[in-house]
Amino acid sequence: EAQVTQNPRYLITVTGKKLTVTCSQNMNHEYMSWYRQDPGLGLRQIYYSMNVEVTDKGDVPEGYKVSRKEKRNFPLILESPSPNQTSLYFCASSLGSPDSHNEQFFGPGTRLTVL
Amino acid sequence: GQQLNQSPQSMFIQEGEDVSMNCTSSSIFNTWLWYKQDPGEGPVLLIALYKAGELTSNGRLTAQFGITRKDSFLNISASIPSDVGIYFCAGTNFGNEKLTFGTGTRLTIIP
Repeated sequence: EAQVTQNPRYLITVTGKKLTVTCSQNMNHEYMSWYRQDPGLGLRQIYYSMNVEVTDKGDVPEGYKVSRKEKRNFPLILESPSPNQTSLYFCASSLGSPDSHNEQFFGPGTRLTVL
Repeated sequence: GQQLNQSPQSMFIQEGEDVSMNCTSSSIFNTWLWYKQDPGEGPVLLIALYKAGELTSNGRLTAQFGITRKDSFLNISASIPSDVGIYFCAGTNFGNEKLTFGTGTRLTIIP
């Protein structure tokens, strides 16, 4: 089944404790992206990756890191989480080819709480 | 970053009613996408529109790509309980992978 998976689905942590949220897709998509969703603010892009070893900042990158060492995986890293990073996080992927209409497929989400 | 204006913000309807919502932008897009998000889940793609003026259906859902390329509309006919959720529009341009999302329309069905 074609899908985007994220782990963990739920995470409660404390301020300053480094964490990684994993994202994996099995559709051989070139483009992958991370979003956060907050009440009243909608979906905001954190980072994206056009291909392996190519990443770039989205609209709200502060406090986050990403890496793209393999095509299928795109982990989101919070080196020193703070309470304002409490949010619902989504990973998404799309074909990413020059002919792509950018139909992005989303993972199930990771609900992060930073105390 | 830019967000698209989506209206209405919320709708309370009875089962069986038809639903209409729209999305407007200050800039042109050449692709419009409509997503639905169930509580606690990720957005799921419902309909994709690629051409100005295009009308596309997916079951009881019909979406239109506005002729000016700055707006899009989604209609749901004969609503059922599983239609409850948040509907998002998103605009994008060919060759540019960035999606610009609408603010969402929350649909609630009153028993």
